[in-house]
Formats: sequence, C-alpha cells, structure tokens
Amino acid sequence: AQSVTQPDIHITVSEGASLELRCNYSYGATPYLFWYVQSPGQGLQLLLKYFSGDTLVQGIKGFEAEFKRSQSSFNLRKPSVHWSDAAEYFCAVGAGNAGNMLTFGGGTRLMVKP
Amino acid sequence: GAGVSQSPSNKVTEKGKDVELRCDPISGHTALYWYRQSLGQGLEFLIYFQGNSAPDKSGLPSDRFSAERTGGSVSTLTIQRTQQEDSAVYLCASSLEGWADTQYFGPGTRLTVL
Repeated sequence: AQSVTQPDIHITVSEGASLELRCNYSYGATPYLFWYVQSPGQGLQLLLKYFSGDTLVQGIKGFEAEFKRSQSSFNLRKPSVHWSDAAEYFCAVGAGNAGNMLTFGGGTRLMVKP
Repeated sequence: GAGVSQSPSNKVTEKGKDVELRCDPISGHTALYWYRQSLGQGLEFLIYFQGNSAPDKSGLPSDRFSAERTGGSVSTLTIQRTQQEDSAVYLCASSLEGWADTQYFGPGTRLTVL
C-alpha cells in the first residue's frame, strides 16, 4: 500500500527566510504527488501536483516542489517565506491501481517569526 | 463560483446518538470524497463516489459509518451510535472527474461526541 511520511511535525522559520518541507512516499511505481495547504479557518487548497515530466513543479503562492525518484521524495520549497504562509501543509500521494483516493501525510505545521 | 459547502459547521452530540453530515459539491463535479481529520492527524480517506459507479467504501472504519449521494450531487455521511473516538473534523471534497484531478475541499464539519 502507498504511504506518505512528513518527518517534521512543526517548523518555525523567520519571515524572509527560505523554506523546505520534507515529504517521503512509499509506492512501487511513479505515483501522483500533491501538496495541499490548510490555513487557519480555511479549507485545504492545492498548491501544486506532479504527474509526469519535468521533476521541478511550480505552484501557486511562489511554492515549488521537486520529485526525486531515487530518494522517494517530493519536498516543497519557497525561497522567501511570508507571514501569511503560516499554515499546515500536507503532502499526498495517489495511484490509480492502489485505490480511488489520495493518501495524506500527517502534515507539517509552519510557523513564521516576524 | 460557489465552492464545496458543508453543514453543519459544528455538531455536538451525545454518545450513542446518530448524526448526519451534509456536503454540497461544486456543480458539475462527478467525484466526491469524504475524509476524516482527527486532532493532530493527517487526513484519513473514508469514501469516494464517482458518477454512477458503486462507491469505494474501503476507508469506512466501521459499519456504523455510511454515506449516500443523491442525484449525483449532494452527499450525506451518517454515523450511527456515535462514539467518542468519532470526534474529528469531517471534510468533503469534490473533483471534476476522479481522484487525480484537483480536489476542492469544503470547510469541514467539526463533530464532538460527549
């Protein structure tokens, strides 16, 4: 079965600093990979997704993620964090022959220091 | 346009009572999902509806949980004989055709079982 691990439960960065959120997945073939963000009081919103092709994916709000097959990783990055980026971030993996759903990681809560 | 809506936003019930949670997906979306998000946990898949196909119920935790989708639109998640461990935020999402499409999430229903 597919699984997703987000090793960091909490991360605190200073505003303007760079950010990298880690995501590792377990699946036998190339999965479909997603990053969602859940802001306080808001529903989950898709940041970006990877299906195939270029392994560096650009998303909304200045986020990007890189698929590294050799490391089974799909880490999310942002060069300069804004206070409004404080939220919980979820990595998810989907694979059609493993069921009709996404498997989500446990999430990483990002706090931004002024 | 209108996003995914859920009602009620909050529900407090006594152990042993039945509850119904409602989801209105985005118009035209054929796929609908229910997830559960327990405190400090990631999202747990519950059930998936796609068009007129039989729903994928593989994520339902017990036979106390059931869901239906009427007319390919509105969905109701029913929890019978609620238990304290059912306390969680129940999220609904819809997508245009299937799980690989962008899922749009509702704000969730926070269920508290006393």
